[in-house]
Amino acid sequence: GAVVSQHPSRVICKSGTSVKIECRSLDFQATTMFWYRQFPKQSLMLMATSNEGSKATYEQGVEKDKFLINHASLTLSTLTVTSAHPEDSSFYICSAREAPTGRETQYFGPGTRLLVL
Amino acid sequence: AQSVAQPEDQVNVAEGNPLTVKCTYSVSGNPYLFWYVQYPNRGLQFLLKYITGDNLVKGSYGFEAEFNKSQTSFHLKKPSALVSDSALYFCAVRAISGGYNKLIFGAGTRLAVHP
Repeated sequence: GAVVSQHPSRVICKSGTSVKIECRSLDFQATTMFWYRQFPKQSLMLMATSNEGSKATYEQGVEKDKFLINHASLTLSTLTVTSAHPEDSSFYICSAREAPTGRETQYFGPGTRLLVL
Repeated sequence: AQSVAQPEDQVNVAEGNPLTVKCTYSVSGNPYLFWYVQYPNRGLQFLLKYITGDNLVKGSYGFEAEFNKSQTSFHLKKPSALVSDSALYFCAVRAISGGYNKLIFGAGTRLAVHP
């Protein structure tokens, strides 16, 4: 099946710093990528949807100036948490969907655990 | 409103017994339905999907799911559970919102398979 990677898998940072998380589709071209946030023992919350070459669409309540998303190529999207604070600590998961071929499956990365001290 | 419900927070089953994890959905139009599994501190792994065709869908690791349009359900099943099946299972439906097509997830069901 299709593989999506995320880097780093775990990051600890000080409050006020920015953190960048990379999401790559390794064996397919992803015209659409998604960023989710997951709190302990909860479901995934969609933060934003990004299409290659265009601005991301953020879900209601998600600050686009705080969570910067760039989808510069068909295999790479990045999420930057700017001026991180302890409440941003969470598990961030990206997902990628292949260019429209009639397939609808989203493939997920392994997640990045962010801890802000 | 478009939504997915997983009525059970946790399902317990003995190894070797059949298992069922329930999912019901509400969506306009034809549903595209998915099951994913999540192991601790990992992302989601795709198990199976229903788009069209046979109502019984077979997926990875011996799992299958049955699409029931009249009951708006898509329950996940496996004839014989393994201890290694213990994980968090998410049902999802594709929905179109704001012009974008995205997945809506259920709250998740924790499956515990006991030796």
